This record gives sequence, structure tokens and C-alpha cells, in this order.
Amino acid sequence: RKEVEQDPGPFNVPEGATVAFNCTYSNSASQSFFWYRQDCRKEPKLLMSVYSSGNEDGRFTAQLNRASQYISLLIRDSKLSDSATYLCVVSWGKLQFGAGTQVVVTP
Amino acid sequence: DTAVSQTPKYLVTQMGNDKSIKCEQNLGHDTMYWYKQDSKKFLKIMFSYNNKELIINETVPNRFSPKSPDKAHLNLHINSLELGDSAVYFCASSASGTMREQYFGPGTRLTVT
Repeated sequence: RKEVEQDPGPFNVPEGATVAFNCTYSNSASQSFFWYRQDCRKEPKLLMSVYSSGNEDGRFTAQLNRASQYISLLIRDSKLSDSATYLCVVSWGKLQFGAGTQVVVTP
Repeated sequence: DTAVSQTPKYLVTQMGNDKSIKCEQNLGHDTMYWYKQDSKKFLKIMFSYNNKELIINETVPNRFSPKSPDKAHLNLHINSLELGDSAVYFCASSASGTMREQYFGPGTRLTVT
């Protein structure tokens, strides 16, 4: 089993719709969690950290479920500019990136 | 102002050559990283330095040698380049330790022919 797993997608989402996807991790000692977005041929950019109580940043909501060992990202009111690959990152001292979930927002 | 910069942006070279990629950050961070992203887009950590000391050294061929002259710079030297080294190499930095948010450079696209 991979240490950090993501559904590769693509998730094809109509503009204005909501999309959500998860990232599972295997190490129960994981302490830090992040979501990054990566556009084609660009560097990963931090989207948001994920806190135990869950957190929201505009149209983006991140949740952490320690019992089931996954984090989630929900995007509301999707925009065309949200089309990207979303990478989850889990750290237990060692950093591990997921392979990414591709989201394609269509007009 | 560029926070994390890398040079060169593109590098095309022949097998067997030796090349270097440079990275600089002006964020005042203590920790810097090198990542490799292959054609399948999987981002894999190679090395991490904290205050010029190596703290992470993943299973990477010893043809790859990082060097950190100071905490704002982390360079990557690659000897005897192989076809399989073709990838995008990203430098990143974070405040102290590996549990913090990371900021990435624009990447160096290495093509070995």
C-alpha cells in the first residue's frame, strides 16, 4: 500500500458545481497535512494547511479524519481557473506527496 | 520579488555529462529541499537540508550530490547523467523542519539525450 494515496481522476466538474475528493495516508503518526495545487508545467503551490478541526478558505474546505486516516478537499462553486492537479501532502517528520487528483472544470 | 528561484529553467544535455542546478530562496527559511517529478507526475523528495545540514537523503543514486553553501542556497550536482534522469527538478524551502508549508521554485526541466 502506498503511504499517501489519491484518486488520480480526472474529476470533470461543470462550472459552478461542487467537487470533493479524498487523500488517504497509512502512517497514524502523521502530524501535518496540506493541500497543494499544481497547474500544468508549473510548480506546486500551497493551497491550504489542514487543521484537526477542519478549515475553510473561501470556496475551499479541508477536513481531517484521523480515525479513518484521510483528508479531504471540497471546492464549492467551481471556477474554470480551479482546473489543476491537487496534491495532498502528509508529514510524520518525513514528507510524502500524493500523486495528485486532476480536476477539470468545464464551461 | 522571486521567493524561490532556480537556474537554469531548461537543461538539455547528453548522457554521461555532469551538470548542476542552482537554487536560492529569499524567504529566510532554514530548510530547503530537492524534489524530482517524473513523466508520471509523481513528486518525490530527494534531499532536505536544515541550516546547511543534510537531514533527509532518500534512496537516490550517489551520482546526485547536493551542496548547501549557506542556508539560502541549495545546489544539486549530477554526475554521469543517464536517460532516466530526465525529469523536472523542483527546489523548495520551508521554515524550520519538515512539518511546515513549503514554497517551490519554478522547476528545472532536465532532458538527457
